[in-house]
Amino acid sequence: AQRVTQPEKLLSVFKGAPVELKCNYSYSGSPELFWYVQYSRQRLQLLLRHISRESIKGFTADLNKGETSFHLKKPFAQEEDSAMYYCALSGPVWNSGNTPLVFGKGTRLSVIA
Amino acid sequence: DSGVTQTPKHLITATGQRVTLRCSPRSGDLSVYWYQQSLDQGLQFLIHYYNGEERAKGNILERFSAQQFPDLHSELNLSSLELGDSALYFCASSRQITQGMVEGYTFGSGTRLTVV
Repeated sequence: AQRVTQPEKLLSVFKGAPVELKCNYSYSGSPELFWYVQYSRQRLQLLLRHISRESIKGFTADLNKGETSFHLKKPFAQEEDSAMYYCALSGPVWNSGNTPLVFGKGTRLSVIA
Repeated sequence: DSGVTQTPKHLITATGQRVTLRCSPRSGDLSVYWYQQSLDQGLQFLIHYYNGEERAKGNILERFSAQQFPDLHSELNLSSLELGDSALYFCASSRQITQGMVEGYTFGSGTRLTVV
């Protein structure tokens, strides 16, 4: 079964501190992994996807197939990073874009000044 | 503007009523997905349409139905509404992700449904 687990509902860090938002997934095959950000229950915006390996707003994520994880990291948190972050998968990777995204329950990041 | 348009933005209605939410996908996208976002359940996938045909069903109640029209816009119909149906309903559209493409899935701004 496809499943995305984000173990932390809420993560609070101080401004300038490193951030790591955890994401583990369950999928038999090769999914594509995504991180989306949502500010104040507005529309979801793509932050990054593992295939493109781009860094947006200073965030990066590495796919670890052995640990089935796709943790989101940023070396120095900023106040404007405060938002809900959702990890998601679609699959299989060769058919990405043609299957629904499966989301984790999200982690609320709060950056304290 | 993401290119995905959802109307209305807000909807307040009474229990037992029926409402229709509308989604126009990004130009060129053949797939439309509907999601329900509630405070306690997160983002729940409801249904997927591709070029007018239903492709996949998620946690969609029998009181809910959807369709995608020849012009590719989609409607989500919610009937016999209950208080628990109050949520944000998002539509997303997508196309096959190819190398170099930045974003395959695009979300609309959502419809906030309040059932009173």
